[in-house]
Amino acid sequence: KQEVTQIPAALSVPEGENLVLNCSFTDSAIYNLQWFRQDPGKGLTSLLLIQSSQREQTSGRLNASLDKSSGRSTLYIAASQPGDSATYLCAAASGGGADGLTFGKGTHLIIQP
Amino acid sequence: DAGVIQSPRHEVTEMGQEVTLRCKPISGHNSLFWYRQTMMRGLELLIYFNNNVPIDDSGMPEDRFSAKMPNASFSTLKIQPSEPRDSAVYFCASSLVSKGTEAFFGQGTRLTVV
Repeated sequence: KQEVTQIPAALSVPEGENLVLNCSFTDSAIYNLQWFRQDPGKGLTSLLLIQSSQREQTSGRLNASLDKSSGRSTLYIAASQPGDSATYLCAAASGGGADGLTFGKGTHLIIQP
Repeated sequence: DAGVIQSPRHEVTEMGQEVTLRCKPISGHNSLFWYRQTMMRGLELLIYFNNNVPIDDSGMPEDRFSAKMPNASFSTLKIQPSEPRDSAVYFCASSLVSKGTEAFFGQGTRLTVV
């Protein structure tokens, strides 16, 4: 059974810093890995999707990497802004991608102005 | 597209009552998922459908929970009878398997059972 762990559980940094959020998964036979953002009381917004054949994906100030052999993914946020404050969730898809996602518990990020 | 649409956004009900949550997936998507989010357990997959057919309901916590997808544009999650421990946020998500299976989530239904 796939298990996904995110470290740290919470992070508070000053505005402008570059930061890395970590995600690890136990079963390397994933179909893809997806990073989401969740604002308080809101739904999940998809940030980046990395297919199992890819090593990284970039969108604006966000860069996500995937290392299947070590069971790890990282989300890099450049030049952080207060608007980046949210909970970031990573989720692994298995079984051809149609079997749903296994989520980590998330990293609660606070960017101090 | 308006995205995944869930209703109601908030539901408060008394213990023992029947609760029905509704979901309209993104048009053209062929997979639909129901998740539950709690502080203690995070996001958990309850059940998913491919092409309107239930594939795996092993995440459904008890027989009190049931889900249907009568057509490609509508799904329901029903709890009967509801209990206080069912209080959570319930999310519906959809994806298109042939397009890398990126999942898109609705805004969720916050259920409170008193």
